[in-house]
Amino acid sequence: GENVEQHPSTLSVQEGDSAVIKCTYSDSASNYFPWYKQELGKRPQLIIDIRSNVGEKKDQRIAVTLNKTAKHFSLHITETQPEDSAVYFCAASMTGTASKLTFGTGTRLQVTL
Amino acid sequence: DAGVIQSPRHEVTEMGQEVTLRCKPISGHDYLFWYRQTMMRGLELLIYFNNNVPIDDSGMPEDRFSAKMPNASFSTLKIQPSEPRDSAVYFCASRWGGEIGYTFGSGTRLTVV
Repeated sequence: GENVEQHPSTLSVQEGDSAVIKCTYSDSASNYFPWYKQELGKRPQLIIDIRSNVGEKKDQRIAVTLNKTAKHFSLHITETQPEDSAVYFCAASMTGTASKLTFGTGTRLQVTL
Repeated sequence: DAGVIQSPRHEVTEMGQEVTLRCKPISGHDYLFWYRQTMMRGLELLIYFNNNVPIDDSGMPEDRFSAKMPNASFSTLKIQPSEPRDSAVYFCASRWGGEIGYTFGSGTRLTVV
C-alpha cells in the first residue's frame, strides 16, 4: 500500500518568512495530493490540492509543487502570519471511486512574532 | 448542510467498558471513512464504507474494534472492551464518489482510564 513520509515534524518561522513542508510517497500510481490544515482542537480542513497532471498550483500565499519522477511534493507558505500556526498534513491517493487518502505524520508549524 | 456530525465530542471511560462512537455523513455522500489520530501514529485509516458496505477494514487494529453503517446517514465505531491504548481522537469523514476530497467531522476525543 501507499506510504507517505513528511518532514519536518516541527517548524518554527518568524512572521513574514516562508515555510516549506516536504512529503514523499511510495506508490507511483498515486495521482492526487491534498494538503490539510488542522488548528488546535479542530478538524483537518483541505487547504489546497494538486493532481499529477500539473507541476505546481498556487492559491494566494500557499502553493504546492509536485515532482512525479522523484515522487515528492511540497507545500510552500509565503509571508507567514500567526494564523498560519497549525499542524499541516500531506496525503496521497489514486483518483477514482475507490480512492482513499494515506496521510503523512504531520508538521507542526509555529509562526512567531 | 451541517457537515459531518460526530458524537460524542468527548468520551471518558474505564478500561474494559464498551465505547460507541457515532457519525452522520453529509447527505448525498456515498463514502464514509473512520480515522484515528494519535501523536505517535498521526492519522490512520481504520475502515471505510461505500454505499453502506465495508470496503477495506485492514486498518482496524484488532477484533475489539467493529464498525457498522446500517444506512446512508449513520455509522458507528465500537470498541469492546476498551483499553488505555485506544485513547485517541477518532475522526469520521465523508465524500461523494465523484470527488476526491474529504470533509472531516469534528472528531471524538476518547480517553480510556
